[in-house]
Amino acid sequence: GAGVSQSPSNKVTEKGKDVELRCDPISGHTALYWYRQRLGQGLEFLIYFQGNSAPDKSGLPSDRFSAERTGESVSTLTIQRTQQEDSAVYLCASSLITSSDEQYFGPGTRLTVT
Amino acid sequence: EDQVTQSPEALRLQEGESSSLNCSYTVSGLRGLFWYRQDPGKGPEFLFTLYSAGEEKEKERLKATLTKKESFLHITAPKPEDSATYLCAVSILTGGGNKLTFGTGTQLKVEL
Repeated sequence: GAGVSQSPSNKVTEKGKDVELRCDPISGHTALYWYRQRLGQGLEFLIYFQGNSAPDKSGLPSDRFSAERTGESVSTLTIQRTQQEDSAVYLCASSLITSSDEQYFGPGTRLTVT
Repeated sequence: EDQVTQSPEALRLQEGESSSLNCSYTVSGLRGLFWYRQDPGKGPEFLFTLYSAGEEKEKERLKATLTKKESFLHITAPKPEDSATYLCAVSILTGGGNKLTFGTGTQLKVEL
């Protein structure tokens, strides 16, 4: 079946603008995760959704970052008033349940803030 | 604080030259250790999950092993198509969900 998809694949924005990144998880996957990968650094956890439970936002770096998920489908990650340090690849992953099941990643959105 | 350290940062092998990648971890309570492969411009691709010390898993030329402090990814007789960045990640027992803490990866280049 189809894997995790993300859009756009690339986004260039000016400092101070807001951006919205989209993730379509694998159908039937109840858990959805967002990670950030900055150049030369490991992936950093941002936020996780599981069904109707309150999301785990413990990895969001500032209140400029927020995310939403519609039921068990699409998720959007919003970054307000972007800064140059927000430049990174933003990766979305989904998994069947929240235990030790493997996470399947999308191709990522490369965000460049100029 | 949970930490994952991978070594070496980069590794260059000749085709057929076997080697191992290391992932050492310090966590409060390990739920699972994951290996992923990442090709340039793509998202990580799942390879293995290991849950307890002594566990081993194999897939083609790759074998992953786990101890209480580290994991190894053994690559036997590698081919150029094995060139990629290999990522190690851990999830912990406390807290909800399965958020992963990643190492910075080992960049593997296999040459003819």
